[in-house]
Amino acid sequence: DAKTTQPPSMDCAEGRAANLPCNHSTISGNEYVYWYRQIHSQGPQYIIHGLKNNETNEMASLIITEDRKSSTLILPHATLRDTAVYYCIVRVANTGNQFYFGTGTSLTVIP
Amino acid sequence: GAVVSQHPSWVICKSGTSVKIECRSLDFQATTMFWYRQFPKQSLMLMATSNEGSKATYEQGVEKDKFLINHASLTLSTLTVTSAHPEDSSFYICSPGGPSTDTQYFGPGTRLTVL
Repeated sequence: DAKTTQPPSMDCAEGRAANLPCNHSTISGNEYVYWYRQIHSQGPQYIIHGLKNNETNEMASLIITEDRKSSTLILPHATLRDTAVYYCIVRVANTGNQFYFGTGTSLTVIP
Repeated sequence: GAVVSQHPSWVICKSGTSVKIECRSLDFQATTMFWYRQFPKQSLMLMATSNEGSKATYEQGVEKDKFLINHASLTLSTLTVTSAHPEDSSFYICSPGGPSTDTQYFGPGTRLTVL
């Protein structure tokens, strides 16, 4: 699975959009981009995933560049509960393979 | 998403004792179970992968005789930390999977503290 690069930490004002970047320049054509987050002392929580089209669900939006070498997770209106470590992972879908976690981005939402 | 439970959520034990952690996949038949551990301020590290009814595959550096994994059914997998030592203190997380699993879900984790 391709590796990802994320900034170690970010701050965001409560109520503003949080934009979390991820670089995955070696991504393969059949690899999806997944985003998870981990709130302190809890298991990782699935947020969203996509292949090449932008995706949106009730939690977030995922913007993938046309060359698929990078993506951005957008939390449209960040709340204090969104403070967590966010992981960007690339993996071939529907293989049952494990997820390998990088260091992620620690997002702090500031009141 | 899939509902995954772990028991206990936290445990404190004395050095030298064994601790069993249960992971249940409540609404998903897990043919595969991934076990991760996470040390403070670090990311999740895959420890082992088990397939229902067969022996687990361990990642490099993980002692198979120390971390015993049983995956006897499609809904239950257990991780037993044998002869626990303080350096085994960590956050242990399970994640059920299957051959066509699109999205992976994770248990809430078990905090192990060895005194």
